[in-house]
Formats: sequence, C-alpha cells, structure tokens
Amino acid sequence: ETGVTQSPTHLIKTRGQQVTLRCSSQSGHNTVSWYQQALGQGPQFIFQYYREEENGRGNFPPRFSGLQFPNYSSELNVNALELDDSALYLCASSLGTPPYEQYFGPGTRLTVT
Amino acid sequence: DQQVKQNSPSLSVQEGRISILNCDYTNSMFDYFLWYKKYPAEGPTFLISISSIKDKNEDGRFTVFLNKSAKHLSLHIVPSQPGDSAVYFCAASNNAGNMLTFGGGTRLMVKP
Repeated sequence: ETGVTQSPTHLIKTRGQQVTLRCSSQSGHNTVSWYQQALGQGPQFIFQYYREEENGRGNFPPRFSGLQFPNYSSELNVNALELDDSALYLCASSLGTPPYEQYFGPGTRLTVT
Repeated sequence: DQQVKQNSPSLSVQEGRISILNCDYTNSMFDYFLWYKKYPAEGPTFLISISSIKDKNEDGRFTVFLNKSAKHLSLHIVPSQPGDSAVYFCAASNNAGNMLTFGGGTRLMVKP
C-alpha cells in the first residue's frame, strides 16, 4: 500500500510569484485535503476535494485554489505569493467515512522571500 | 477564535510512566476527535480516534478519554517510551467529515 506523497519537498519563491504543489493520495482514498502549518502552530484547513469537486473550504483567500484529478491526485495553487504564505503545506487523503481519519504526506516546505 | 485548544505547549515524563495530554474544544457540533503524532520533517501520523457517543477508546498503550459535558479530551500513553517523544495534536471533525480542526500541539519528551 502506497502512502501519501508530495512534491516538491522544499521550494523557495519570491513575493508575487505563483506556485503549484502536488500530492498523490494513498491507494484507495477518494478524498484529499490540504492544510497550511505555520511554525509552532497546528495545521490549518485550506480545502478538501472529493471526486474532483471542492467539498469544503477554510478561511483562506481565493488566491489559494486546487484541483483533484480522476486518479484522486491533487494540486494546490497559490497566486500572488505573500511573505506570510511561508509555511509547511500538508496534503492528506482519506476514505471520507467516519471517524474521518486523514493520512498525511510529509509536506512541502514553502519559503517566500 | 480557536475551537480546539491544547493549553500545554510541552510535557516531560520519565520512561515507563504515564503521559497525559489534554485538549479542550468549544464547538458542540464536533462528532469525532482524533489524535495525531508528528515527528520533525514528517507529516502527522494518525494515532487514535473517538466518537462523541463514547467516553473511552483504547488501542494498545494509547487510550483517549472524552468528557462531553466539559468539552475536554485527553490522551493517555502507558507506559511511555522514548520513541513517543514527538509533537501531539488533537483534532476534531463534524459529522460531514470535510475538515479537521487542529489544536496547537503539545511537545512530549520522554526521558530514558
């Protein structure tokens, strides 16, 4: 059974640029969620996709957008990067059934300068 | 407005003793509660969960207790091992299951 994978591992971007992060779901999982984790804090929910449709969104501006593909892999796109976007971005996949445990990838560390 | 809070940023225990990690929540709509463990440079790892209709769930050395009236849950690790040293997050989900709300984490250090 393959776990959740994310790419790239690290990324450095300049303020105002755009970035795309990628995630491959765990085998058999049809739901993918994205979280932002700032240093010293817990993960903050960005959005969730279920069968290629957005299924919930946290308190993030529209410049954070996503996609889910037919194979349930996913992308997170962030436009007009700001310094505060520097964080660890975590992808998690799940079956979407109670108790709704999600399985996380190792994350992508994004630094905006 | 933090709906899930872990008020202890760190906890240190001796190997073999009990570790008790605490979590408080404010949203009565949460139906499921989960605990995750996180090592540096890794994503959070799911440990154990509990439904709001239960007050206890046990899995090996890990037991989660839920007190709905107090909106409080705790994770007990017995006996604690040095490999348990990590950051522990509690998280909560509503019945739709479309998002997890996390606490800020507690760093557990188990000393040999």
